[in-house]
Amino acid sequence: DTGVSQDPRHKITKRGQNVTFRCDPISEHNRLYWYRQTLGQGPEFLTYFQNEAQLEKSRLLSDRFSAERPKGSFSTLEIQRTEQGDSAMYLCASSLELSPNQEAFFGQGTRLTVV
Amino acid sequence: KQEVTQIPAALSVPEGENLVLNCSFTDSAIYNLQWFRQDPGKGLTSLLLIQSSQREQTSGRLNASLDKSSGRSTLYIAASQPGDSATYLCAVSRRNSNYQLIWGAGTKLIIKP
Repeated sequence: DTGVSQDPRHKITKRGQNVTFRCDPISEHNRLYWYRQTLGQGPEFLTYFQNEAQLEKSRLLSDRFSAERPKGSFSTLEIQRTEQGDSAMYLCASSLELSPNQEAFFGQGTRLTVV
Repeated sequence: KQEVTQIPAALSVPEGENLVLNCSFTDSAIYNLQWFRQDPGKGLTSLLLIQSSQREQTSGRLNASLDKSSGRSTLYIAASQPGDSATYLCAVSRRNSNYQLIWGAGTKLIIKP
């Protein structure tokens, strides 16, 4: 396994369009997290999945955002009616529930630019 | 509410110097603390993880310490090199928040040749 994979790496979209990002976690990892990072800031938590269940959502995740992990493997994050304020790096991380140190492993991120 | 602060926000030092980056957090009830490196426009690379029961971790020229009671961690970089130039972020997790990470804003490090 090559680690956490995110696709696409970069996305430029016009305001008002919908976009979808994909995250493939490390294969045996059952915990999956989405974070968002704006320029010059640390990442902020968006949502958390344990297997296929979405167990926590940040209030940052407005109604325009939806995330799924239908089979407990890959996850998608969709943003509807994108706004310029959605421009950010979207990061996915995974970890193993049974791991004693709960280390999070990150993908390379998807950089979204809304024009 | 957990808050994580990193000071300084930016640091520029000559090559070869030893340096210390600081991270502080307001709630000592953490599960672990991780240090990450981020190159411009790129994702996050994990450097070191310290469990709440540990005091330090070492990897090559990097040493991270943790003083949970005072809410502080330091990342020590020995014999800095231009390739160490990046933003360094620290993050803490808690068991009762599904181990989600709470982040500092990072320290941007520039090593001058």
